[in-house]
Amino acid sequence: DQQVKQNSPSLSVQEGRISILNCDYTNSMFDYFLWYKKYPAEGPTFLISISSIKDKNEDGRFTVFLNKSAKHLSLHIVPSQPGDSAVYFCAASAAYGGSQGNLIFGKGTKLSVKP
Amino acid sequence: DSGVTQTPKHLITATGQRVTLRCSPRSGDLSVYWYQQSLDQGLQFLIQYYNGEERAKGNILERFSAQQFPDLHSELNLSSLELGDSALYFCASSVGGTGSETQYFGPGTRLLVL
Repeated sequence: DQQVKQNSPSLSVQEGRISILNCDYTNSMFDYFLWYKKYPAEGPTFLISISSIKDKNEDGRFTVFLNKSAKHLSLHIVPSQPGDSAVYFCAASAAYGGSQGNLIFGKGTKLSVKP
Repeated sequence: DSGVTQTPKHLITATGQRVTLRCSPRSGDLSVYWYQQSLDQGLQFLIQYYNGEERAKGNILERFSAQQFPDLHSELNLSSLELGDSALYFCASSVGGTGSETQYFGPGTRLLVL
């Protein structure tokens, strides 16, 4: 039972354009959502997060949108740069419900930004 | 650099052996989490410790155990190793560990069981 799903295993965009990575979740107890970026042989690097009381959070080129009714979140990267090429993981956690604090990860989307 | 350190970076061992992975959390963080990343399963939560006490368990095998010491570093012990235990093992830390907070990950330990 996959509670966090990233349905696109890969995404290719041109440098300077917008990258949109999507994530769906099924557990309505999730109240905190995060995006991590990962290079091969390295640990996940935290990018941006959003609480379930918000619908948008921005940090520089990165914006996360949360649609609770659709149980959907997305990460927008504008403008995309070749250094953004990596695997992006969506993760979710719930403060209550037995799994508090633990992150549930999607399987990742590999982003390639072409010069 | 996340501030979370893990040793060793690589580990090669044989089936049936036992290994210990070590993690030091970021300064000030009380919670430590262990995750396993294998090719087919993605990142899976194993176990969480908060200030020395076990707080939550995930998909951790009975052959695996962990502990968090008074100085807050943590060790993950893997015993009776099988080929399928080959994976990347990540440690993460956070301030409180009650959810709704960011976890910061270490660089990982790559375990290869031959």
